[in-house]
Amino acid sequence: QKEVEQDPGPLSVPEGAIVSLNCTYSNSAFQYFMWYRQYSRKGPELLMYTYSSGNKEDGRFTAQVDKSSKYISLFIRDSQPSDSATYLCAMTLFQGAQKLVFGQGTRLTINP
Amino acid sequence: GAVVSQHPSWVICKSGTSVKIECRSLDFQATTMFWYRQFPKQSLMLMATSNEGSKATYEQGVEKDKFLINHASLTLSTLTVTSAHPEDSSFYICSAPRQGANEQFFGPGTRLTVL
Repeated sequence: QKEVEQDPGPLSVPEGAIVSLNCTYSNSAFQYFMWYRQYSRKGPELLMYTYSSGNKEDGRFTAQVDKSSKYISLFIRDSQPSDSATYLCAMTLFQGAQKLVFGQGTRLTINP
Repeated sequence: GAVVSQHPSWVICKSGTSVKIECRSLDFQATTMFWYRQFPKQSLMLMATSNEGSKATYEQGVEKDKFLINHASLTLSTLTVTSAHPEDSSFYICSAPRQGANEQFFGPGTRLTVL
């Protein structure tokens, strides 16, 4: 069993739809949770960073962490074609200079 | 946000040659940098942790003699793929955490193609 499980998709939705991306994990010691967006042949770009359980909102993006269920989510509202990318969840035990454990990534396409 | 650069962005080499990839933190110092490898349609796999002034720490299954890492300064880490073979063709990405910041910043990646 992988430490972090993420449905690779591909996921295709119409423009304007609400997108829900999810990851589950097995190590209950993870405390810091991140979502990265990666365009084709580019490095990952940090979208959201959360600590422990709870919600965090930034513009059209909302990140949720449920540590009791070992489940994290990223919601994208009013999705745009420019949101088409691969979304990777990542997590770590401690903040700062620590190894990140990544999910497989979900390929998302927003259709105009 | 902080900027991490990589050079070159794309390299093609012949089998058996060595290739050096540079990772630079442009506006902050990084005592630690991470090197990842990503195959097509797959996630990032951590190869090694690069430590300024000391030896790198390699993940299980990564050959340290094949993937040489040198972290000579607080803004530069290099990954040298020695005696490259076609199976080493991949996307290599580095990351660096900025001191005092929570997140890590990723470079744009280097695409290596070994013929």
